Amino acid sequence: SQQGEEDPQALSIQEGENATMNCSYKTSINNLQWYRQNSGRGLVHLILIRSNEREKHSGRLRVTLDTSKKSSSLLITASRAADTASYFCATDEGSTSYGKLTFGQGTILTVHP
Amino acid sequence: ETGVTQSPTHLIKTRGQQVTLRCSSQSGHNTVSWYQQALGQGPQFIFQYYREEENGRGNFPPRFSGLQFPNYSSELNVNALELDDSALYLCASRAQGVGQETQYFGPGTRLLVL
Repeated sequence: SQQGEEDPQALSIQEGENATMNCSYKTSINNLQWYRQNSGRGLVHLILIRSNEREKHSGRLRVTLDTSKKSSSLLITASRAADTASYFCATDEGSTSYGKLTFGQGTILTVHP
Repeated sequence: ETGVTQSPTHLIKTRGQQVTLRCSSQSGHNTVSWYQQALGQGPQFIFQYYREEENGRGNFPPRFSGLQFPNYSSELNVNALELDDSALYLCASRAQGVGQETQYFGPGTRLLVL
C-alpha cells in the first residue's frame, strides 16, 4: 500500500523557476526521505528529515516537515534541465518497521531549457 | 554511483518460471532491502535482511523469498512467476544503527514476465 501521496502528479516548468512538490502521509513516522529517479533507473537519495525537525536544506533543495498535518514539501530552487526526473517521498515509521520505506506514487518533474 | 550493484540488468521469463536476482551491498553496509516498482508506481517494500535473517516483510506472498550472505550480498528469488511480477526490482543497502536511516539504491533489475 502507498502511504505517501504526492502532489502534483506532474509538474512542468522553465529552467530557472522553482519547483515545489508536496507529500502527505497517514501514520506517525520516524523520518521522511526524498528520492529522485531518472528514467526508471535506481533511486538517488536527496535528503532525510527526522520527525523532530521542521526544515532542512541541501544545496538547492529545501524540505519542510509538518508532523501535525502529516505533510512534507520539497522545494528545488533555480531548476535546471538536469533536474528532470521523478521525485518520491518515502516514510520510515521506525520501531518494528524501522528501515521499511513506504513510497508515494511520485511527482514527474519536467524542466524545459 | 552508490556502490550498490545489481545483476542482471534485464531479464525475460515466462509465466510459471523461477528467477533469482542478485545484489551487492555498498561497502560497510550490513542491511539490505528489496523493493518492487511497477510501471508508473512508487517502489513497494518486499523485505529486509540483517545479519542473514529476514527482518521485516511487506505484503508479498511466500513465493518471494530472499537470502543474505556473510559478505552482506543478497538474493531475491521469485517462484511461479506471474505476469504481474513484471517490474523493476530494486535493492537498497544501509548500515545498521542510530542515524543510519539513509538507504542507498542499486540501478535495479527490470524483469519482464511473458
